[in-house]
Amino acid sequence: TQLLEQSPQFLSIQEGENLTVYCNSSSVFSSLQWYRQEPGEGPVLLVTVVTGGEVKKLKRLTFQFGDARKDSSLHITAAQPGDTGLYLCAGAQRSGSARQLTFGSGTQLTVLP
Amino acid sequence: EAQVTQNPRYLITVTGKKLTVTCSQNMNHEYMSWYRQDPGLGLRQIYYSMNVEVTDKGDVPEGYKVSRKEKRNFPLILESPSPNQTSLYFCASSSTRLAGVPYEQYFGPGTRLTVT
Repeated sequence: TQLLEQSPQFLSIQEGENLTVYCNSSSVFSSLQWYRQEPGEGPVLLVTVVTGGEVKKLKRLTFQFGDARKDSSLHITAAQPGDTGLYLCAGAQRSGSARQLTFGSGTQLTVLP
Repeated sequence: EAQVTQNPRYLITVTGKKLTVTCSQNMNHEYMSWYRQDPGLGLRQIYYSMNVEVTDKGDVPEGYKVSRKEKRNFPLILESPSPNQTSLYFCASSSTRLAGVPYEQYFGPGTRLTVT
């Protein structure tokens, strides 16, 4: 069972369109991170959100952490071909002495020129 | 330059032959972690370490060992590799906040391992 469900799994859109990627769980996270991964490379951190309801913006990317810290969304405005990649969310949990990180299955985004 | 390095980048080995994948970071991070990435299964945490001599299991620790004798290094050891450990492996290090919760992970370039 996937702790973090990402949707959609695949997304192909035209340049200039807007899109939203969702990351949902029934568990509460201490923090949630978003990454982008290019083929053959390691994931690169885009943002970390910590507080319930927090919104962070990175140029055309807007990240939101749910009020209950169980879900998050990534919204891209006016997508460009350079946004193409695998988008991953990762939730950090604190339970006793454990500090595990769990990744979602990813959203493969293709932006067509 | 802040970075996480892994070696080797590619490795083909045979079942049962012990191997070690090295990982080093130069950011003085306390938290380090190993992941494997498989098609359809995403990134899964194997082991993590919150500091020197402090390691803990992730979601898929079976068949792997780790050690953290120095803050900058976190090697992954496969004592007796098997074909189901063929995968793409990533090491990562992270700053921490909120009582040790990883905050900003930086990933290495990956090690593609094939076990025949």
